[in-house]
Parts: sequence; C-alpha cells; structure tokens
Amino acid sequence: TQLLEQSPQFLSIQEGENLTVYCNSSSVFSSLQWYRQEPGEGPVLLVTVVTGGEVKKLKRLTFQFGDARKDSSLHITAAQPGDTGLYLCAGARAGNNRKLIWGLGTSLAVNP
Amino acid sequence: DAGVIQSPRHEVTEMGQEVTLRCKPISGHDYLFWYRQTMMRGLELLIYFNNNVPIDDSGMPEDRFSAKMPNASFSTLKIQPSEPRDSAVYFCASSLTILAGLDEQFFGPGTRLTVL
Repeated sequence: TQLLEQSPQFLSIQEGENLTVYCNSSSVFSSLQWYRQEPGEGPVLLVTVVTGGEVKKLKRLTFQFGDARKDSSLHITAAQPGDTGLYLCAGARAGNNRKLIWGLGTSLAVNP
Repeated sequence: DAGVIQSPRHEVTEMGQEVTLRCKPISGHDYLFWYRQTMMRGLELLIYFNNNVPIDDSGMPEDRFSAKMPNASFSTLKIQPSEPRDSAVYFCASSLTILAGLDEQFFGPGTRLTVL
C-alpha cells in the first residue's frame, strides 16, 4: 500500500499548456516536500510546505498544502520543455521527520 | 561544494557476486540516507545515519544488505550475495539539520546496478 498516491502517473502535454498534479494520502503529515528528478540524476527539492492551506509560488509553479495536511497539489502555468521530469512528493510524519514517505511520482513530458 | 558523490555510476555483476556502493556526503551534513529506486516501488528508504550512527535500518530488505559509515565523509552499501531482483538505481542523499521536517535532502547522481 502506497501511503502517498500521486496522480496522474504519466502526463504528456504541449508547451504553453497548464497542468496540475496531485499527491494524496489518508494520513496527516507535518510537512510535505516536492522534488523534481531528471533522467540520470537524483531528485532536487523544489519546495517544502508545512501549514495546512499554505500556498507557495515558485515562478510558474504553484504548490498547495491541503487544509487537513493530507494532500497537496502542484500547478504549472504555461509549461515549458524544461519542466519535463519526474515530480515526486514526500511527506514527513510527526515523531519521525527524517524518514520521508515518498509517492511514486508523476512523469511529465512537455513537448515543444 | 561538489555535492554528494557516488561511485560507481554503473555496475553490472553476476548473481552471487558481492557489490559495494560508495557515497561521499556533502561536507558538514549530519544525516546520510541510502535509497533504492525502481519503477514498480518508487523511491524506498533503506537506512539512514545521524552523525555516522545508524538510526533506522528497517528498510533494508534482508541480511544480504549491509551499510556502514566509518566517518563523516564516507559510507558504503554492500550487497552479498547479489540477486537479479536487487537490480535498481541506488541513491545516497545527505542533509543538514535545520528544523525537523524542513531539512532538504541533497541526492547524489545514483548508481545503476544490474545483476545478471
């Protein structure tokens, strides 16, 4: 059983389109992180959200943490080929914050 | 800083052979993590260390896997004997304690292991 469910699993879009990917759980997390992984490399942190309802923006990327701290979303506006990669969410649970729970990821392809 | 360094980048071996993966964390980081990534299971935490001491090895699949961190700048993950189902990309990551739950994990480029 995957504690963090990410959807969709795969997404292929054209440059300029908008998209949203989701990270859902039945468990509460004290914080949640989003990472992006490019082929042949390790994941790289994009953002950390810690407060229920929190919204963070990173240029064209908007991250939201659910009010109950069980889910999160990542919205990309006007996607570019450079956004291509595997987007992973990872949650930290109260009492064991170093042991992240990882989703399987959303593989995004942005075609020029 | 050069980032987290892993070696080798690729390893092809035959079933039954011993495999040793190496990691040099970012200088000054006090946590080190070993992960395994496959298409089916995603990123799985195998073990993590704090100040060179193993804290949680509950993710180590079985006794064939062992990890050591003899000093703050070096760690190894050993598989003996290796099996085809061990084929995966193995990542090492390190982090610096800031606030629990807010630490950023810095990943190495990974070692792609193929066991024939």
